[in-house]
Amino acid sequence: QKEVEQNSGPLSVPEGAIASLNCTYSDRGSQSFFWYRQYSGKSPELIMSIYSNGDKEDGRFTAQLNKASQYVSLLIRDSQPSDSATYLCAVKGPNAGKSTFGDGTTLTVKP
Amino acid sequence: GAVVSQHPSWVICKSGTSVKIECRSLDFQATTMFWYRQFPKQSLMLMATSNEGSKATYEQGVEKDKFLINHASLTLSTLTVTSAHPEDSSFYICSARDEPKGTNEQYFGPGTRLTVT
Repeated sequence: QKEVEQNSGPLSVPEGAIASLNCTYSDRGSQSFFWYRQYSGKSPELIMSIYSNGDKEDGRFTAQLNKASQYVSLLIRDSQPSDSATYLCAVKGPNAGKSTFGDGTTLTVKP
Repeated sequence: GAVVSQHPSWVICKSGTSVKIECRSLDFQATTMFWYRQFPKQSLMLMATSNEGSKATYEQGVEKDKFLINHASLTLSTLTVTSAHPEDSSFYICSARDEPKGTNEQYFGPGTRLTVT
């Protein structure tokens, strides 16, 4: 079992819809959770970080964390074609020096 | 804030030569930097964790004598690919953590595309 698992996709949604990206993790002691966006040929860009259970909203993005279920998600409202990218989930435990990244979910937003 | 730069952005070298890639945190100090490699349409793969003033920690399967890492200051880490071969052609990306900020957020450089001929 991978430490951080994401559906590889591709996930395709129409423009204006809500895109829902999911991530599960195995280390129950994990405390820091991140979502990165990576456009093709570019490096990852941090878009959201979340540390406590519940929702965290930033513009069209909402991160949701449920530590009991070891589940973190990213919702993108009013999806735009420019949101088409690979989204990486990353998780860090309290004593780990590094974050563990999932393999990413590829999102395509169709005009 | 939290800007990480890499140099060069792309490099072409001949098989058997060595290539050095620089990673700099421009507006924060980073005691820890990370080096990743990514092949086309594949996942991000952590190669090593670079610690300022000490030896890097390499991931399993990564040859430390081939991928030399030096983290001599709080704003600079370098990765040297020694005796490069065509199979080393890849996208190399560094990342730094803004430790004083205390959020564990990692910021990525723009990457270096290495082609070995």
